[in-house]
Amino acid sequence: DAMVIQNPRYQVTQFGKPVTLSCSQTLNHNVMYWYQQKSSQAPKLLFHYYDKDFNNEADTPDNFQSRRPNTSFCFLDIRSPGLGDAAMYLCATSKGGISQPQHFGDGTRLSIL
Amino acid sequence: GEDVEQSLFLSVREGDSSVINCTYTDSSSTYLYWYKQEPGAGLQLLTYIFSNMDMKQDQRLTVLLNKKDKHLSLRIADTQTGDSAIYFCAEEPGNTGKLIFGQGTTLQVKP
Repeated sequence: DAMVIQNPRYQVTQFGKPVTLSCSQTLNHNVMYWYQQKSSQAPKLLFHYYDKDFNNEADTPDNFQSRRPNTSFCFLDIRSPGLGDAAMYLCATSKGGISQPQHFGDGTRLSIL
Repeated sequence: GEDVEQSLFLSVREGDSSVINCTYTDSSSTYLYWYKQEPGAGLQLLTYIFSNMDMKQDQRLTVLLNKKDKHLSLRIADTQTGDSAIYFCAEEPGNTGKLIFGQGTTLQVKP
């Protein structure tokens, strides 16, 4: 059974039109991460939540926001998507604490028209 | 600084062993990880090794760690066509919970 679930698997939006990607988890993990992965590149961390504490990476554009209304769900909001935001977006979770492995969902592939 | 490097491509024949290499820079990383990514999918955690270990074996997978040289390798025995994927090595600098990934090694398994 999938433990980190991302919806939808594929998302198409228009240039400049806000879009929200969602992630849910059944692992009851404390930490939820969002990564951006462009074609043939390594995943790049955008931000993460440790419980309700939000931690933004220094080079994450302001265009990217996140919400975590409860332990199970986390959302990635892109306020005004540009062509350069087309990518695979990966959600991951971990228990938190020292060196707990991260468990990934299958990702949402975002296309911008 | 934080940097993880891997060779980009490896091709082997079915039944042979595959060895994927990785170098990392941050000696504070307590754990080092290997993830597998199949086309269009997320990352699957394959295995990880604690930095005070030299080797870890898990069925067909063997991880070797040379901490002095900051070199990590993943050996897949009896490689199968289903092993074709991209393999990412990752370090976790300073036990921050943040992963720094290499650029991934594409493993091609020929029948």
